[in-house]
Amino acid sequence: SQQGEEDPQALSIQEGENATMNCSYKTSINNLQWYRQNSGRGLVHLILIRSNEREKHSGRLRVTLDTSKKSSSLLITASRAADTASYFCATALIQGAQKLVFGQGTRLTINP
Amino acid sequence: GAGVSQSPSNKVTEKGKDVELRCDPISGHTALYWYRQRLGQGLEFLIYFQGNSAPDKSGLPSDRFSAERTGGSVSTLTIQRTQQEDSAVYLCASWTRAGANVLTFGAGSRLTVL
Repeated sequence: SQQGEEDPQALSIQEGENATMNCSYKTSINNLQWYRQNSGRGLVHLILIRSNEREKHSGRLRVTLDTSKKSSSLLITASRAADTASYFCATALIQGAQKLVFGQGTRLTINP
Repeated sequence: GAGVSQSPSNKVTEKGKDVELRCDPISGHTALYWYRQRLGQGLEFLIYFQGNSAPDKSGLPSDRFSAERTGGSVSTLTIQRTQQEDSAVYLCASWTRAGANVLTFGAGSRLTVL
């Protein structure tokens, strides 16, 4: 089964609202990353949080990591129509830290 | 090059034919990954190359799938005797050990097996 599981699978909100996506994983990690994918093609890296970090910010993005619960959340504040995309979490395992394991993704739709 | 380049961008083939997908990573990136993404699904790890180390082939779904990386740069993913369930987007990504393992992805090769 997948190491990372995103929740919800799909999210639809109005422009200007905040969007929160969650990711759970099973085994200990070195770091956790979030990626964005437009139109089913290449993914773009958004943010990385290491296992010893609890929160990280980048522009309108806020990522939290709770290693005790093996979960992470991605918050996009003041959403824009251009944020419409699929968002994936990816975990780098402690053993074999180079291998990134991706979840199933959350499809985010921002309605104008 | 400036980014990860994949070719072809689209490939339509008949069941039973062999296909080759190519990935040209960012110059200097030592690690290269192949992932498969079926329609509406997440990314499925296939294979990982790192420098001169033996590749991690643990994600290859069957012996019809193989990949090689020549000269530590360009990689080719080969699918023999294609089946309809092989239809997917095949994504290549690379990263450099100079930083954390943040991946730069190519645009993918969309394979359709009729």
